[in-house]
Amino acid sequence: GQNIDQPTEMTATEGAIVQINCTYQTSGFNGLFWYQQHAGEAPTFLSYNVLDGLEEKGRFSSFLSRSKGYSYLLLKELQMKDSASYLCAVMDSNYQLIWGAGTKLIIKP
Amino acid sequence: DGGITQSPKYLFRKEGQNVTLSCEQNLNHDAMYWYRQDPGQGLRLIYYSQIVNDFQKGDIAEGYSVSREKKESFPLTVTSAQKNPTAFYLCASSPLGQGTFTDTQYFGPGTRLTVL
Repeated sequence: GQNIDQPTEMTATEGAIVQINCTYQTSGFNGLFWYQQHAGEAPTFLSYNVLDGLEEKGRFSSFLSRSKGYSYLLLKELQMKDSASYLCAVMDSNYQLIWGAGTKLIIKP
Repeated sequence: DGGITQSPKYLFRKEGQNVTLSCEQNLNHDAMYWYRQDPGQGLRLIYYSQIVNDFQKGDIAEGYSVSREKKESFPLTVTSAQKNPTAFYLCASSPLGQGTFTDTQYFGPGTRLTVL
């Protein structure tokens, strides 16, 4: 079966760095997406990786290793507004998105 | 401004009643999707449509129905056959770039349905 694994919850301190991991086992691979979702709101797109390596976008970076079925989202200079759930999703061989359950990130002052 | 709208944001219905959730987009996207989100679970696909007058079942289509009469609109009906309809429902659309960055899905604000 297809599976996406992420930690359920993480806690970090304002101003620090946090890495949210995602491992996947899917039928084929056509890219990996990271979304941010604040409580009660819609997910918003953060990043897309289809080739191995690191993609940097401001305070957020996303890394992919296809051979290991592994990705991480790196958040730097954490701000209180970064408190949210972070969803990892993989597009399989049928171009369907398979979603992880999300990682709830709690930022403490 | 381009975007996706869902209405209403909160919806209450009595058990046994059908209810229709609206989803409209003005992004000129070909594909539209309906997801259900429950606490502690990933988004689960209910139905999707890649072209007008055509749609496909997702992983949890039982108890739901959709229509795609216009490119901009993809309403979802939650029927009385759905055993546990209380959930957060999200509509999304994408340009349908087939496995490229342009396949990014963009979401509406969601409708929280509570069945009493």
